[in-house]
Amino acid sequence: TQLLEQSPQFLSIQEGENLTVYCNSSSVFSSLQWYRQEPGEGPVLLVTVVTGGEVKKLKRLTFQFGDARKDSSLHITAAQTGDTGLYLCAGPSGSSNTGKLIFGQGTTLQVKP
Amino acid sequence: SAVISQKPSRDICQRGTSLTIQCQVDSQVTMMFWYRQQPGQSLTLIATANQGSEATYESGFVIDKFPISRPNLTFSTLTVSNLSPEDSSIYLCSAEITGNYGYTFGSGTRLTVV
Repeated sequence: TQLLEQSPQFLSIQEGENLTVYCNSSSVFSSLQWYRQEPGEGPVLLVTVVTGGEVKKLKRLTFQFGDARKDSSLHITAAQTGDTGLYLCAGPSGSSNTGKLIFGQGTTLQVKP
Repeated sequence: SAVISQKPSRDICQRGTSLTIQCQVDSQVTMMFWYRQQPGQSLTLIATANQGSEATYESGFVIDKFPISRPNLTFSTLTVSNLSPEDSSIYLCSAEITGNYGYTFGSGTRLTVV
């Protein structure tokens, strides 16, 4: 059974600090996605990583896909209060093209002013 | 990328009644997905809805409790039937963003059963 384990589950930091969220699995994924969800909204896609070892940057957010495509990380530099939200990693479920995703447990980030 | 309009955004329902949630996509999509989420927690897939065929349900979810319609490539509904307080949750629909390896989500329906 494919599982995605996210850590930490909760993170409360001061504005300006850096942080890293991890998404790990014992299974190989063809791609991994990161979403951010704010209260009252659906998850919004931040990035998809496809190639092992890939690094993608989105302003202050840096996403990395592990060389073996079993893990990914999200690093936020100089966090801002607007970064507050629930961060979810997700990957395609199974080997067939069902379109289904499995999600990590989520990381709730609170950035305090 | 596709935009999904989901309604209602929230509702309070009496136990034993049903609630139907609608999702309208602004472009044609092959598959749509319905999820359940407790506030602050991850998403659990309920079912996959394909146009022209019966929905495919995940383990623990059955058609009698969660009937789904998919009449065309831009629209789907999820009904939560015979409501009990345990059904109180956030329900979300989703569709794949073509060519982007990602998915777009509706804004969710927060259901409270009293």
